[in-house]
Amino acid sequence: DIVMTQSPDSLAVSLGQRATINCKSSQSVLHSSNNKNYLAWYQLKPGQPPKLLISWASTRESGVPDRFSGSGSGTDFTLTISSLQAEDVAVYYCQQYYSLPNFGQGTKLEIK
Amino acid sequence: EVQLVQSGAEVKKPGESLRISCKGSGYNFTNFWISWVRLMPGKGLELMGRIDPSDSYTSYSPSFQGHVTISVDKSISTAYLQWSSLKASDTAMYYCGRITIAAAGMDVWGQGTTVTVSS
Repeated sequence: DIVMTQSPDSLAVSLGQRATINCKSSQSVLHSSNNKNYLAWYQLKPGQPPKLLISWASTRESGVPDRFSGSGSGTDFTLTISSLQAEDVAVYYCQQYYSLPNFGQGTKLEIK
Repeated sequence: EVQLVQSGAEVKKPGESLRISCKGSGYNFTNFWISWVRLMPGKGLELMGRIDPSDSYTSYSPSFQGHVTISVDKSISTAYLQWSSLKASDTAMYYCGRITIAAAGMDVWGQGTTVTVSS
């Protein structure tokens, strides 16, 4: 099984500042056949279902604000929120779908 | 509108059986796999397993294999998650999610079903 580890577990950032969440997989999720990273990012807010933000490590879903960006390849990935807004308070999860999908443990993002 | 609508909250006793549902609409149900995800109080998301509605092929995460059953009735565009004997530790929110056509994550989610197991 591929183990996904996020860091930090929690993060407090001031409004308007940059938030960075890291995700590391225990083995590469880069598929050699198509050179794509099988990695997604989700946002989970209280009382709401998860929301897919980014797939293929860096492709934003339709309607996701461009302050959200994903980067990385192989085993190391990053979700960046360029200018934190109040509505971004949530728990963020990475997920690999290279093999049977599984999630990281989550990173709780709060306002400082 | 593409949506998944889940069945309502359940309160059960340990040892009881339960089946919750997830009905898809607004798209061709058999073209997209469905996953079930658990969210326990104070914990993170856990993928339980997934099913291909076209042929009912299922795969389970190791932690859930043998503890739950995922099934589908494609004639009514509905996926199910079933327990034969609930435990208190099954208390959680359960979500169904549609896996994208490229299997690149889950793009449509149900609203969630709360299951409470208590004597």
